[in-house]
Amino acid sequence: GAGVSQSPSNKVTEKGKDVELRCDPISGHTALYWYRQSLGQGLEFLIYFQGNSAPDKSGLPSDRFSAERTGGSVSTLTIQRTQQEDSAVYLCASNIGVANTEAFFGQGTRLTVV
Amino acid sequence: GDSVTQMEGPVTLSEEAFLTINCTYTATGYPSLFWYVQYPGEGLQLLLKATKADDKGSNKGFEATYRKETTSFHLEKGSVQVSDSAVYFCALTSNTGANSKLTFGKGITLSVRP
Repeated sequence: GAGVSQSPSNKVTEKGKDVELRCDPISGHTALYWYRQSLGQGLEFLIYFQGNSAPDKSGLPSDRFSAERTGGSVSTLTIQRTQQEDSAVYLCASNIGVANTEAFFGQGTRLTVV
Repeated sequence: GDSVTQMEGPVTLSEEAFLTINCTYTATGYPSLFWYVQYPGEGLQLLLKATKADDKGSNKGFEATYRKETTSFHLEKGSVQVSDSAVYFCALTSNTGANSKLTFGKGITLSVRP
């Protein structure tokens, strides 16, 4: 596609439910990143994919968070047993997988846990 | 670990005023430095970057110089416009191969009055 696409754009869920957030990167981009933007913490790195593998998962805050990428394209971030502190904007970015190249960001998914 | 510190905001300026947004960093090795901007209702986008010491990044009238001796990457613009109102993020990558994960500052909101 023309840009990084994320869905849904907004998600409201009840505490304790599982949610899935989707990212469709720019076609041909081998690297994919998930970030979280929250009022208290700013923008935090969550996980990096190169192709379908995730060599850097160091930013995932707990084992309730997981992500996968299939076909070297679409990625899904799953949050199990959501908590109120998970409320944030989840951003996806992609690039061509070469050091120092520009990352292109999606519009994000605003997750609200009530 | 890597970190980025930005000056506290928000900042409000009149149109045509001079802008400086301070950014300092801590990183191992020789990071690449970036300014990203988030306009109202839009996703994050790259404003400018510099990949080595003394490089100057520039775009849309904004400039920032990579100063290794002071570990700084301050953003400047000589004459701001109302359309520059946005949130500005300083960021770095530590050049660890193809993993270009970004470490962000907390961001600063700029409002420009007509």
